[in-house]
Amino acid sequence: AQKVTQAQTEISVVEKEDVTLDCVYETRDTTYYLFWYKQPPSGELVFLIRRNSFDEQNEISGRYSWNFQKSTSSFNFTITASQVVDSAVYFCALSEIYRGAQKLVFGQGTRLTINP
Amino acid sequence: NAGVTQTPKFRILKIGQSMTLQCTQDMNHNYMYWYRQDPGMGLKLIYYSVGAGITDKGEVPNGYNVSRSTTEDFPLRLELAAPSQTSVYFCASRGGGSNEKLFFGSGTQLSVL
Repeated sequence: AQKVTQAQTEISVVEKEDVTLDCVYETRDTTYYLFWYKQPPSGELVFLIRRNSFDEQNEISGRYSWNFQKSTSSFNFTITASQVVDSAVYFCALSEIYRGAQKLVFGQGTRLTINP
Repeated sequence: NAGVTQTPKFRILKIGQSMTLQCTQDMNHNYMYWYRQDPGMGLKLIYYSVGAGITDKGEVPNGYNVSRSTTEDFPLRLELAAPSQTSVYFCASRGGGSNEKLFFGSGTQLSVL
């Protein structure tokens, strides 16, 4: 079965530091998709990025960047020059086919606290 | 654009009571999902639907039932509520492509006392 591991339960840094959130996944599928979602204190889930298994190019979006390495089954997320507003729980997720339909398998999340 | 709408936002139930969590989406999405999020944990799939009239169990379906009579609506029913069902419930939907992202509702915080 597919599995997503976010080994860092909580991370706390001072504002303006760079921080990397780790995500390691397991799958037997040759085609799959990886996602990152942000859950701020208000509770909603905010989509950040989607990456398919054939595209190993790193992606940068402002202060956010993602490093996908198929060889190590990792999809890490880095925030550069962190800000207090980045404080949230971040979830990594892997798509899988379950009983003929696609669903997302989520990691347990990493709670990120950015201190002023 | 409403997206995915869940009601209620908060609810307290007594053990043994029943209730229905409502979920509706206005994006004409075929796929709809119910997840639960326990404190400090990730999301676990309860039930999902690939279209009107079609539903199937996810990882943690016990104690729940769903129906999908229309494309828009996907209610989740709790029968005989138990303390173990205290959780935050999220409804989600997505379009038909295999790489489509999920759109989530804002969640329902349920406590069973």
